[in-house]
Amino acid sequence: ELKVEQNPLFLSMQEGKNYTIYCNYSTTSDRLYWYRQDPGKSLESLFVLLSNGAVKQEGRLMASLDTKARLSTLHITAAVHDLSATYFCAVDSKINSNYQLIWGAGTKLIIKP
Amino acid sequence: NAGVTQTPKFQVLKTGQSMTLQCAQDMNHEYMSWYRQDPGMGLRLIHYSVGAGITDQGEVPNGYNVSRSTTEDFPLRLLSAAPSQTSVYFCASRRGGQLGYGYTFGSGTRLTVV
Repeated sequence: ELKVEQNPLFLSMQEGKNYTIYCNYSTTSDRLYWYRQDPGKSLESLFVLLSNGAVKQEGRLMASLDTKARLSTLHITAAVHDLSATYFCAVDSKINSNYQLIWGAGTKLIIKP
Repeated sequence: NAGVTQTPKFQVLKTGQSMTLQCAQDMNHEYMSWYRQDPGMGLRLIHYSVGAGITDQGEVPNGYNVSRSTTEDFPLRLLSAAPSQTSVYFCASRRGGQLGYGYTFGSGTRLTVV
């Protein structure tokens, strides 16, 4: 069964601290996506990781992909309150001859001032 | 450029009623999908389409129908609403092919079935 597992599912942290969200997946894939969702809002694309060793950074967020370990990480540096949101990872997988995204359950991140 | 447009944003249905959730995109994307999002469960794929005239079932298709007569539109029909279909529904689209294109999401439809 295709699975994408995120941990932790809930994270409360102080501003200024660093932390990492992990995304493990069970299928062979070299395409992984990170999305952000604010409460009551839609999903916003953050990063698209397309190959082993890919690393992308945007502000205080950095995402990386290790396809051999089937692991992606989303690292938060010196967290600020505005980064409070739920973060999802998703993996492209071939299902019935077409590629579909398999989603993690999301990590709810709360950053306290 | 509107992206992905979903209507309505909110809807309350009685058990047994039917309705259609509308989704339109103006980016000429081949792939379109419908997801439902329930608390603590991430997104689950209902139906998807890889082009006009081509649709297929996702993880949770029961109780829903779709059609794709044009590239732009991908409506989701609830045949006979049940309380278990209370959820937030998202439509999303992306370019086709095997390159890594992420999905663009609509703003969502919050559906309550009473």
